[in-house]
Formats: sequence, structure tokens, C-alpha cells
Amino acid sequence: AQRVTQPEKLLSVFKGAPVELKCNYSYSGSPELFWYVQYSRQRLQLLLRHISRESIKGFTADLNKGETSFHLKKPFAQEEDSAMYYCAPPGAGGTSYGKLTFGQGTILTVHP
Amino acid sequence: DGGITQSPKYLFRKEGQNVTLSCEQNLNHDAMYWYRQDPGQGLRLIYYSQIVNDFQKGDIAEGYSVSREKKESFPLTVTSAQKNPTAFYLCASRRAGGPYEQFFGPGTRLTVL
Repeated sequence: AQRVTQPEKLLSVFKGAPVELKCNYSYSGSPELFWYVQYSRQRLQLLLRHISRESIKGFTADLNKGETSFHLKKPFAQEEDSAMYYCAPPGAGGTSYGKLTFGQGTILTVHP
Repeated sequence: DGGITQSPKYLFRKEGQNVTLSCEQNLNHDAMYWYRQDPGQGLRLIYYSQIVNDFQKGDIAEGYSVSREKKESFPLTVTSAQKNPTAFYLCASRRAGGPYEQFFGPGTRLTVL
């Protein structure tokens, strides 16, 4: 079974400080992971996916197979980054794209 | 305007009543999902469907039922058997092939009075 774990339910930082949201996974097969974000009063939406190695809104996430982690990082947090963040696998892989199980979510609060 | 819509936005139900939440998508996605979001518990999967006329239970399916008669629609019924139905419900869909990004609806907040 694919599982992701986000150990921190709440994370608070001050504006301009670095932030890291943790995500660990246990997987069979080749992992592929995403970070989703939910801003206040907005839909849950994709933030970034590891396979594209992109940086979105200053956030990056590197898949570390040795540590089975996919932590989300930003060097200088902004107040508008305050949101709920979810780590998630895409599904069972291959042609079976069924069950998706999200991490428990981390609420990030960036203080002025 | 493509996307996923959920209705209603707010729903109130008396105890003992069944209620159906609507989810429609025009993205031509094969897979659709229902999640429940509670404070401090993140997203929990209720049911999912990979294809029309087929669906599977998620982690917390008890007290819920679904149907998938059309590709575009995946309604969720919250039955009177669901012990704690007050929650925020999210519907999502995804393409069959990659990329595997999920697209989410705006959600329905159900309150049992």
C-alpha cells in the first residue's frame, strides 16, 4: 500500500524565515509525488509535482529515495504562503490509477 | 468554462435523513473521487471510481453510497447510517493517463442539525 506521512499538523514561521514541510512515503514501485495547497476560501490545487523538478511560488521539493522523503521547502516564507499543504501520491501506478491517499496535511502559518 | 462543480455549497440535514451531494466535471476525466475533510484529520477518501458503472470503497466508506452512471457525474449520498456526517466534502477527478494531477471541486459543507 502507498502511504504518505506528514508529521507536522501545524507549522508556524515568521516572514522571511526558511520553511520546510515534511513528507515521508512508503511505496512499492517507483514513487511519484505531488504537493497540493489549499489557501483560505480557495479550492485545493496542485502546487508542484516532483517529476517536473519545478519551482512554484518559490517552493521546491526534492524526492530523496534514500530517506523516502519529499519535503517542501522555501528559503524565505511570505505571509501569502499561509495555507494547508498536502503531500500525495498519484495512485497505484501503471494503468491502475485508483486509490489515492493523501497525507494528513500541514497548516502553515507565516507571521508578519 | 471547464472544471469540476459541486452543489450545493452549503447543505443542512436533519438527523435520520439521507442527502445527496452533486459532483459534475466536464474535463473528460475517467477517475473521480470523494473525500471528507475534517479539522485536524486532513483528507480522507470515501469512494472512488475509475470508470463508468464501477466504483470502489475508500478508507471511510461506511454510511456513504455512490453511483457512476455517467462519466461526468459522481454523486455521493450520505445516509442516515453515517454517524458523524457533519464535514466538508470534496470531489476530485483525474485523467486516466499521466500526468496524474487531481482537480478539485469547491466543496460542499454539510451540517447535520
